[in-house]
Amino acid sequence: AQSVTQLGSHVSVSEGALVLLRCNYSSSVPPYLFWYVQYPNQGLQLLLKYTTGATLVKGINGFEAEFKKSETSFHLTKPSAHMSDAAEYFCAVSNDYKLSFGAGTTVTVRA
Amino acid sequence: GAVVSQHPSRVICKSGTSVKIECRSLDFQATTMFWYRQFPKQSLMLMATSNEGSKATYEQGVEKDKFLINHASLTLSTLTVTSAHPEDSSFYICSAPTGYTDTQYFGPGTRLTVL
Repeated sequence: AQSVTQLGSHVSVSEGALVLLRCNYSSSVPPYLFWYVQYPNQGLQLLLKYTTGATLVKGINGFEAEFKKSETSFHLTKPSAHMSDAAEYFCAVSNDYKLSFGAGTTVTVRA
Repeated sequence: GAVVSQHPSRVICKSGTSVKIECRSLDFQATTMFWYRQFPKQSLMLMATSNEGSKATYEQGVEKDKFLINHASLTLSTLTVTSAHPEDSSFYICSAPTGYTDTQYFGPGTRLTVL
């Protein structure tokens, strides 16, 4: 079985500060890993994904994530937070297209 | 990216009635679609896999007679909540993979409120 754990249900950052969202995975096979963002009352938007190849993955809106097999981690970062980054973020692992989501991390951005 | 739509975006119904939610892939064909539900402040839980031309497969604990899924064509899947009750109130989201990648594209969701 595959699963993900997101550490920290809520992260608060100042505008312009680093955003770091933690995700650890468990998988018996090489994982496909994803980060999605959800704004209130909306569906999920793909930020980035890791399948194979380069372990540092760049996504939309300045986000990136690094796949670290030795640490079973796929943490999401953004160097400088913007007010528009306030949202819910989900890490997910795929098994034959079925996604298992983490519990989510709410990001608030302080002016 | 690929576009998935859902209709309606919001529905309010009385207890005991049935509600149908549509999920469409607008610019690609999807032999498989997925239905999730999301309670407030919680993560998404996979309910079922919708398969074009065959029966849906349901996750453990999901009542197949209550949540009827029909994959009518390569671009349309419907979820019907039968005899809805207040505890069925939730945010229902569908998704579809584009086929040659492992990426899911999500619909905007449907907010169901059962009175």
